[in-house]
Amino acid sequence: NAGVTQTPKFQVLKTGQSMTLQCAQDMNHNSMYWYRQDPGMGLRLIYYSASEGTTDKGEVPNGYNVSRLNKREFSLRLESAAPSQTSVYFCASSVGGSNYGYTFGSGTRLTVV
Amino acid sequence: GIQVEQSPPDLILQEGANSTLRCNFSDSVNNLQWFHQNPWGQLINLFYIPSGTKQNGRLSATTVATERYSLLYISSSQTTDSGVYFCAVSFSSNTGKLIFGQGTTLQVKP
Repeated sequence: NAGVTQTPKFQVLKTGQSMTLQCAQDMNHNSMYWYRQDPGMGLRLIYYSASEGTTDKGEVPNGYNVSRLNKREFSLRLESAAPSQTSVYFCASSVGGSNYGYTFGSGTRLTVV
Repeated sequence: GIQVEQSPPDLILQEGANSTLRCNFSDSVNNLQWFHQNPWGQLINLFYIPSGTKQNGRLSATTVATERYSLLYISSSQTTDSGVYFCAVSFSSNTGKLIFGQGTTLQVKP
C-alpha cells in the first residue's frame, strides 16, 4: 500500500499565484489533516477533516482553503500565495477519533518568491 | 490552549549511548504520539501512547497522564536514530487533531 501520497513534492510560486496541493490515502481512514512546518518549529495544523463531508479550521487557517473531495482525498488550496506561506506542507490521516496514530505523507516543499 | 514542551531542544550522543527525551503537556490529553523526522524530512510514527508503557526494539515510551508528561527512551543509539523527535498531543476525543511540541534534535555520532 502507498499509505499517504502527496503531490507535488516541490513547487515554486510567484507571489499572488494560486495552486492546489493534493493528498490521497489508501488506508480507508476517516480523518485527514494538513500541517505546515517552518524551520526550527514543530508542525502547526492548518485544516482538518474529521470525516468525509466535514472540514474545520486548525491553528493557522488564514490564506488557505480545503476540500474533502471524497474519503480518500483532501486537497489544500492557496488562492493568492504570499512569501509567508513558504513552508513544508504535510498531509496526514488517521482512522479517526483520539484512539489511533497518524500516518504522514512525505511532504511538499513550497517556496513563494 | 494546550502547551506542549519538549526537552532537551538539542542532544548529541556517541553511538551506543542511551538517552531520554521528555514531553510535558499542560492539560489532560486523550492522545499522545511520538514521531521521528529523519534527515530527509519523513515523519514516522513511533508510538501511540496516551498512557502506560510501550516498547519497540531499542525504543520505549512511558506516559504518566496524571502527571502530564511522557518520556521516550532510546537505548544503544545508532547513527540512523539521528533526526528530530516530536511529541504531539490531542485533547479532542472527536477530531483527533494533534498539537505538536517544538521537537528534540538528536545527532548520533559514529
